[in-house]
Amino acid sequence: GQQVMQIPQYQHVQEGEDFTTYCNSSTTLSNIQWYKQRPGGHPVFLIQLVKSGEVKKQKRLTFQFGEAKKNSSLHITATQTTDVGTYFCAGPRQAGTALIFGKGTTLSVSS
Amino acid sequence: GAVVSQHPSRVICKSGTSVKIECRSLDFQATTMFWYRQFPKQSLMLMATSNEGSKATYEQGVEKDKFLINHASLTLSTLTVTSAHPEDSSFYICSGSGGVETQYFGPGTRLLVL
Repeated sequence: GQQVMQIPQYQHVQEGEDFTTYCNSSTTLSNIQWYKQRPGGHPVFLIQLVKSGEVKKQKRLTFQFGEAKKNSSLHITATQTTDVGTYFCAGPRQAGTALIFGKGTTLSVSS
Repeated sequence: GAVVSQHPSRVICKSGTSVKIECRSLDFQATTMFWYRQFPKQSLMLMATSNEGSKATYEQGVEKDKFLINHASLTLSTLTVTSAHPEDSSFYICSGSGGVETQYFGPGTRLLVL
């Protein structure tokens, strides 16, 4: 069945280091979305990528959508303690309108 | 972004009781609402999709008679966990979609069944 995979599952960095999480879909996606969930919180929408090869930036966050629209990445430059949380990628399911989520990458940052 | 509220945010109940969770879209009309469940340190798992005025579509393995969903209006969907048991303890999150694919999540409801 349709799958969305994310690696790594966990990542610990020192404050100021960079961080990247990768998302791979078993199927071509019409779009990919990224969410951030802080510890104890709920997922918050970060961004949606639609075009093949698209790159979008939000301050220190850079999001990429692969040319084949099957993979994506989120890169954080110079991490801060406020970046702590779990980052999920999600894509539209093949049937219906719901999203299928990756398992997430949990980022911890030590100062 | 659009705002979705959930109530209650946290509930503790005895085994065998029923719990109702409300999900409201506050500033948009959610033609479709989704209910997810998230166990500790795991991803969000879709339980069901509900469209206003029609029966919910449940995912495989989710008992429709146990998890009753009502989507009576474009701004309100409810999930009732009937005869809750300890294994139903989880974080229940709803999301609303106004027609575009982006979903807006509620703050979630933490259910603990004793």
